[in-house]
Amino acid sequence: EIVLTQSPGTLSLSPGERATLSCRASQAVGSSYLAWYQQKPGQAPRLLVYGAFSRATGIPDRFSGSGSGTDFTLTISRLEPEDFAVYYCQQYGSSPRTFGQGTKVEI
Amino acid sequence: QVHLQESGPGLVKPSETLSLTCTVSSGSINDYYWSWIRQPPGKGLEWIGYIYYSGKSDYNPSLKSRVTISMDTSKNQFSLMLSSVTAADTAVYYCTTVRYYYDNNGHGVLGPFDYWGQGTLAIVSS
Repeated sequence: EIVLTQSPGTLSLSPGERATLSCRASQAVGSSYLAWYQQKPGQAPRLLVYGAFSRATGIPDRFSGSGSGTDFTLTISRLEPEDFAVYYCQQYGSSPRTFGQGTKVEI
Repeated sequence: QVHLQESGPGLVKPSETLSLTCTVSSGSINDYYWSWIRQPPGKGLEWIGYIYYSGKSDYNPSLKSRVTISMDTSKNQFSLMLSSVTAADTAVYYCTTVRYYYDNNGHGVLGPFDYWGQGTLAIVSS
């Protein structure tokens, strides 16, 4: 099973700032089959990025994904008020599919 | 745009079986792979398993001995059964689609979870 470790646990930033979230895998994620999700309180997660860097439909271009192998990054170029949430990475390169423990982006 | 709605009892007794149903609208159940994911209160996400109308399925080994995911194509629904539940199974349960896409090498990939239901809280308690 691939274990995903996200850092930091909490990121305290202000609107307009840049957010950099890390996701490290215990072994290489095949073909960069890694996704990122955003979850707000009381809501289901929303898919942001898949294939490490492809944005899902309707996702603003301030969200960008990068990385390969065992190290992946989600960058939010300029935080908007609606971006304060919890972010999860998830790998689908091998079974079982696993999630990271989440990074909370707070004001 | 696929719409998903979970339903089922909110309270289940320990050792009994949790049964949940996901109703699919604005889409055919034959067009996607379908998955269940859960989230204990205040915690992270755990993948339970997925199914395709052909019968192909896969489960998380941590739950495999207790889980059955099935489909009813006539009702456009799929279901989750989790047996011998304990308090550790208390969670919000989400049904989702699984995106199938072709990567840069032209390989078909069973990818991320793209459409999600709103989730339903199942509490295990006597």
